[in-house]
Amino acid sequence: EAEVAQSPRYKITEKSQAVAFWCDPISGHATLYWYRQILGQGPELLVQFQDESVVDDSQLPKDRFSAERLKGVDSTLKIQPAELGDSAMYLCASSGQTDTQYFGPGTRLTVL
Amino acid sequence: SQKIEQNSEALNIQEGKTATLTCNYTNYSPAYLQWYRQDPGRGPVFLLLIRENEKEKRKERLKVTFDTTLKQSLFHITASQPADSATYLCALQNSGYSTLTFGKGTMLLVSP
Repeated sequence: EAEVAQSPRYKITEKSQAVAFWCDPISGHATLYWYRQILGQGPELLVQFQDESVVDDSQLPKDRFSAERLKGVDSTLKIQPAELGDSAMYLCASSGQTDTQYFGPGTRLTVL
Repeated sequence: SQKIEQNSEALNIQEGKTATLTCNYTNYSPAYLQWYRQDPGRGPVFLLLIRENEKEKRKERLKVTFDTTLKQSLFHITASQPADSATYLCALQNSGYSTLTFGKGTMLLVSP
């Protein structure tokens, strides 16, 4: 069964450093999402791509966060500089012809 | 303001009983509502989707109801098993928008 891949699974960094997360969606899925999930909360959408175009990035802190999906396939989310409050699980999801979203295992970020 | 409310307290039930989880929403006109299951340290997994014009949906031991007048969805697991223990998230897509907004989730604990 096809799955969404994410790497790394865990990342520990110091504040003010740069971090990057990678996501490979299910093959053929045009829509890709990045979510942030703080412990005890639901996932919050950061950015949504349709192919290589950004559909919604209204909740992305653009002073420090950036996301790209250059060829409309895999995607990278970057944080520079990281802050203590960025510690969270970063989830990638993709969807195809239906409204169902398929999530990857997530990247657990700890900022020290 | 818009709100999606799920019971923040964990639901403890005995094996074999029916678990009922609640999702209430305010100031949304959802096109559809989805339920996801999330295990600790993992990404959410899609369970069921119910559209605004549907009252009830079933899948194996799972049943979802959707009352747009009460602005509420109920999620039922019949003949619950310890393996059903997880956090269950509801998520709404507002009419006219393509993004999904998640509730905080309710933890279900099924005791043998």
